[in-house]
Amino acid sequence: GAVVSQHPSRVICKSGTSVKIECRSLDFQATTMFWYRQFPKQSLMLMATSNEGSKATYEQGVEKDKFLINHASLTLSTLTVTSAHPEDSSFYICSASGTSGGRDTQYFGPGTRLTVL
Amino acid sequence: AQSVTQPDIHITVSEGASLELRCNYSYGATPYLFWYVQSPGQGLQLLLKYFSGDTLVQGIKGFEAEFKRSQSSFNLRKPSVHWSDAAEYFCAVGAYTGGFKTIFGAGTRLFVKA
Repeated sequence: GAVVSQHPSRVICKSGTSVKIECRSLDFQATTMFWYRQFPKQSLMLMATSNEGSKATYEQGVEKDKFLINHASLTLSTLTVTSAHPEDSSFYICSASGTSGGRDTQYFGPGTRLTVL
Repeated sequence: AQSVTQPDIHITVSEGASLELRCNYSYGATPYLFWYVQSPGQGLQLLLKYFSGDTLVQGIKGFEAEFKRSQSSFNLRKPSVHWSDAAEYFCAVGAYTGGFKTIFGAGTRLFVKA
């Protein structure tokens, strides 16, 4: 089946620094990638949707200048949390859809645990 | 816009007992419906999905779900639960709203007792 990886799986950073999270589709071309945020014991909240080569579409309430998303290729999307603060600590999950399984099927990465001190 | 409700925050069942997790959705047209499972420290795994056709959908790990349009429901069932089924279960609804978007329910945590 389709595989999506995320790197790093876990990151701890100091307040004020920026952190980049990578999401890769390993065996298919991801025309669309999604970024979610999950707080402890809560559901996944969609942050943004990105199509390869286009600007990301952010959900209401998500600061696009704080959460920079780049989807430069069909296999890679990155989420950069700029000037991170403790309240940005969360579990970030990406998913991808594309040539595998149809456009309506999303394949999820294992997630990245971000802790901001 | 679509939305999903999972009424049960957590459920406890005995190993070997049957299971039903409830999911209600709101969407104007026929939605795309999914059930995912998330084990501690793991990513989401797709159990099954419904797009059209037969309203009873078979998934992996012995799970099935039934789409009932009249009740706007897509409940997940398993006839006999195993201890390894303990996890968080998410119902999700997808729709094309200027691009395909999936919205997740709040999740139901399943506990399995021996």
